[in-house]
Amino acid sequence: DTEVTQTPKHLVMGMTNKKSLKCEQHMGHRAMYWYKQKAKKPPELMFVYSYEKLSINESVPSRFSPECPNSSLLNLHLHALQPEDSALYLCASSQPLGGAGNQPQHFGDGTRLSIL
Amino acid sequence: RKEVEQDPGPFNVPEGATVAFNCTYSNSASQSFFWYRQDCRKEPKLLMSVYSSGNEDGRFTAQLNRASQYISLLIRDSKLSDSATYLCVVNRDDKIIFGKGTRLHILP
Repeated sequence: DTEVTQTPKHLVMGMTNKKSLKCEQHMGHRAMYWYKQKAKKPPELMFVYSYEKLSINESVPSRFSPECPNSSLLNLHLHALQPEDSALYLCASSQPLGGAGNQPQHFGDGTRLSIL
Repeated sequence: RKEVEQDPGPFNVPEGATVAFNCTYSNSASQSFFWYRQDCRKEPKLLMSVYSSGNEDGRFTAQLNRASQYISLLIRDSKLSDSATYLCVVNRDDKIIFGKGTRLHILP
């Protein structure tokens, strides 16, 4: 069982829809991440929140809008997506990076997104 | 050149054999190192953190050589359930960098 919970597990949406992906962790981690993963590729980092503030945006298109309402929750708001955005979207959490500590990330089991 | 490079694979190995994965990283400022495994259509799961002193967990041994910027993972007495993709992950400042992964098939 994963300690990072993502909902929904599967999502099918049209290109004009607005939907949100949700992620929750109760490990006391203060860094949370969104990744996109296509088949047979490694996860690609999209966004990093550290202490509830956006610290990294890897030049992600504005049709993806992250939100971190509190230290346990992370959302990804989706609007006007394209078919190439179909992928597995993974949330992860860890203690904040930077510094000498070993800070592995713990992943949720992902939301499989299909854009029609 | 990619910042984290792994053997391209796939590896097809008979059950019971020893498997070695290699990973190199290009930035000497990298701070922490991990091996993850990912099963098909599942999330990555942390397998081991990697330390300069080397660390072992049952059949799995990980090693870090900072001078050579090289990370390894050894699986002894491989099982069918070890079949997965193995991802080398390096942390540097606020960045997390994934290798492309090496697919392992254990053959009965």
